[in-house]
Order: sequence, then structure tokens, then C-alpha cells
Amino acid sequence: TQLLEQSPQFLSIQEGENLTVYCNSSSVFSSLQWYRQEPGEGPVLLVTVVTGGEVKKLKRLTFQFGDARKDSSLHITAAQPGDTGLYLCAGGADRGSTLGRLYFGRGTQLTVWP
Amino acid sequence: DTEVTQTPKHLVMGMTNKKSLKCEQHMGHRAMYWYKQKAKKPPELMFVYSYEKLSINESVPSRFSPECPNSSLLNLHLHALQPEDSALYLCASSNGGAGNGYTFGSGTRLTVV
Repeated sequence: TQLLEQSPQFLSIQEGENLTVYCNSSSVFSSLQWYRQEPGEGPVLLVTVVTGGEVKKLKRLTFQFGDARKDSSLHITAAQPGDTGLYLCAGGADRGSTLGRLYFGRGTQLTVWP
Repeated sequence: DTEVTQTPKHLVMGMTNKKSLKCEQHMGHRAMYWYKQKAKKPPELMFVYSYEKLSINESVPSRFSPECPNSSLLNLHLHALQPEDSALYLCASSNGGAGNGYTFGSGTRLTVV
């Protein structure tokens, strides 16, 4: 069972275009995290959002956490070839003695062409 | 030190070999994780250690054996692997808590021949 549905799975756009990636779930999470991964490397944390309705901006990237803490979106403005990579959303759930369990979405492979 | 260090970066092993993957962090994180990742797929959780104790084993075959010697080190012992076990093995650490993300290592690219 996939707890987090991420869409689209693939995205191929031209430099300068805007895009949005969505991450949806029927479950409530204590946090929603976004990672970016390049081939052969580990994922790198971009942002963590913890409060329903929270919006965070990181230069051209805008992250939003849904009011009910079940969904999130990543919006990139004026995409650049350097934005190319696998974008992963992950829901955080701390239960009992298990710290920081993450549930990953399937990922969005973004390619930005010059 | 804000990194998770994994060694080796690449490993080729035969199906009868025994090898170990190593992971080290000095951020004082209380949880450490092993993930397996196939190409163009998200990471799949294998094991979680919380406070140096194994708290989650995601029904991983016994040919994978984790070990946490202390709060900074995490090992994954490999024995009698199959070619389908070839993948990128990622170690991560975190402090848990809603606001804390994972720090991932760069991974070990494992090829079983």
C-alpha cells in the first residue's frame, strides 16, 4: 500500500517554465519532507513542513503543507537545467519508540531542457 | 560534522561471498536507517534503529543482517546474496521529531554477480 501518492511521475519541461509536483495521502503526518536526488547519490533534504497550511520558500521553490496535514505541493518557478533530478516527498510519523519513520512517495523525475 | 559517511562507495560480490557495508554519523542522531533503492524508484525501508536498538525490520531476508555497535555506527552484513539484491544501499540518520529531516549518505552501489 502506497501511503503517499506523488504526481506526476515524470515531468519534462523547457528552461524557464513553471511546474508543480503534488503529494497526497489519506493519512495525517506529523511532517512532510521534500528531497532531491541526483543519480548515484543519496537524497538531499530540501525542506520540512510541520504545520498545517504552512508555506515555505527556498529561492525559486515554494513548498506548501495542506491544512489537514495530508498533502503537500512543490512549485518551481522558472525551472533551470540544474533543477533536474528525482524529487521525493516523504511523510514523517513518530510512533512510540520508533523515531522518524518516513513514508516515501514514488518520486517525480524532473528533466529541464536548456 | 553534518554528514553521513558510507563505505565502500561501490561493491561487487559473488553470491557466496560475505561482505559488510558501513555507515557512520557524528551528529548525535538517535535513529539510523538502512534503505534499498532500485533505479528510478524511491528508497525502500529495510531497518530502523532507535537508540541503538532494532525497532523495525521490514521483513528483510536473513541474508541481510544489521548491526549497531554504538550510537554513531551502523553496519549491514551481507551473505549469500542474489543478483536481484543489486541496488543502491542508503544509510540515513535523524533525531526523529516532526521537524527533523533525514540526512542520507551517498550510498553503496552493490552489484551481486
